[in-house]
Amino acid sequence: GAVVSQHPSWVICKSGTSVKIECRSLDFQATTMFWYRQFPKQSLMLMATSNEGSKATYEQGVEKDKFLINHASLTLSTLTVTSAHPEDSSFYICSASAGPNTEAFFGQGTRLTVV
Amino acid sequence: GEDVEQSLFLSVREGDSSVINCTYTDSSSTYLYWYKQEPGAGLQLLTYIFSNMDMKQDQRLTVLLNKKDKHLSLRIADTQTGDSAIYFCAVLSGGSYIPTFGRGTSLIVHP
Repeated sequence: GAVVSQHPSWVICKSGTSVKIECRSLDFQATTMFWYRQFPKQSLMLMATSNEGSKATYEQGVEKDKFLINHASLTLSTLTVTSAHPEDSSFYICSASAGPNTEAFFGQGTRLTVV
Repeated sequence: GEDVEQSLFLSVREGDSSVINCTYTDSSSTYLYWYKQEPGAGLQLLTYIFSNMDMKQDQRLTVLLNKKDKHLSLRIADTQTGDSAIYFCAVLSGGSYIPTFGRGTSLIVHP
């Protein structure tokens, strides 16, 4: 199957700093990318949907100024957690889709720990 | 690691029941999920079941879990055209924070 690479796999940062997570589709063009957050022992929560070249659509309750999403090319989307705080510590997972009615492939996830 | 398998396609007639199957490998799995992905949308959690249960019903949805065979199924009663989507099975292994997803089953409902 198609490969989606997410980087970094884990990151520890100080409170107040910003962290950027990358999601790349390695062998297909991803017109749509999804960003999810997962709290321990809970299921994924969709944060936002981004289409290449457009602004991301955020789910209710997700602060768009805090979680900046950029989808500038068909193979790369980034999620920047700005001014991170300990409560932002979580797993962040992306998935990428080549278009409607196609599979979404998931990245490996990024474990963010804010200290 | 966990391996989750599901068939890629299922085609049913409107009004019939759909059964989407999923198998997994890790016997320490704790939570088992079914997600739906409509065209152009992200995943939507449909339902989930704890590993100490063998059945869960929620309106038209019935989840069956056979822990011995490591088999999970999702039954949709009275399938409608609006149920056409990709359905993902996901399994959370004991001690893991990230569920392992199957590749998704594309459900096609025709008149």
